[in-house]
Amino acid sequence: AQKVTQAQTEISVVEKEDVTLDCVYETRDTTYYLFWYKQPPSGELVFLIRRNSFDEQNEISGRYSWNFQKSTSSFNFTITASQVVDSAVYFCALSPSNTGKLIFGQGTTLQVKP
Amino acid sequence: SQTIHQWPVTLVQPVGSPLSLECTVEGTSNPNLYWYRQAAGRGLQLLFYSVGIGQISSEVPQNLSASRPQDRQFILSSKKLLLSDSGFYLCAWSGTGFSEYEQYFGPGTRLTVT
Repeated sequence: AQKVTQAQTEISVVEKEDVTLDCVYETRDTTYYLFWYKQPPSGELVFLIRRNSFDEQNEISGRYSWNFQKSTSSFNFTITASQVVDSAVYFCALSPSNTGKLIFGQGTTLQVKP
Repeated sequence: SQTIHQWPVTLVQPVGSPLSLECTVEGTSNPNLYWYRQAAGRGLQLLFYSVGIGQISSEVPQNLSASRPQDRQFILSSKKLLLSDSGFYLCAWSGTGFSEYEQYFGPGTRLTVT
């Protein structure tokens, strides 16, 4: 079965705190892609990152960083020094090999308070 | 650059009425196109995807249908809406080659069936 689990439904932090959003996935494929998307209140999904299953290097982009661990089937997302503008729903997604389809988790609502 | 448009932005329709949502992509050729539904402000469910004109794959049996009359146009339809069709409908596109698996989303259409 192909599945993505985001166990944290809602997270609330105060501005400048670091926060980690968890994502655990299930797949039997050896080749697959993992994604994170941000959905601000406007509703449009914004692409943040794609990772393929053969690249376990962690990635950092400004205040954002991603930790991919195949051993635990996790692809966690950390925001450093959070800001109010980071408030949104964040989705983790899995794309099995050669399908082009995205399987989304249920999302984590992040609220950053000033 | 590529842009994706959806209309209408919001729609209120009575049960049993027909539906037509339109999605168009600019700045790319032969994109893969997708329709998703997000119910209750949470996870996204893939409804249809298309890899070319006239080629539609359905993911979930329902009273909705999709068509792709032109390369960059994707239409979601229903002959008779149900209350359960209410939700936020998102269209997405992806390219081919290295970026094939990154999907870029439109602004969405919020549908309320009354």
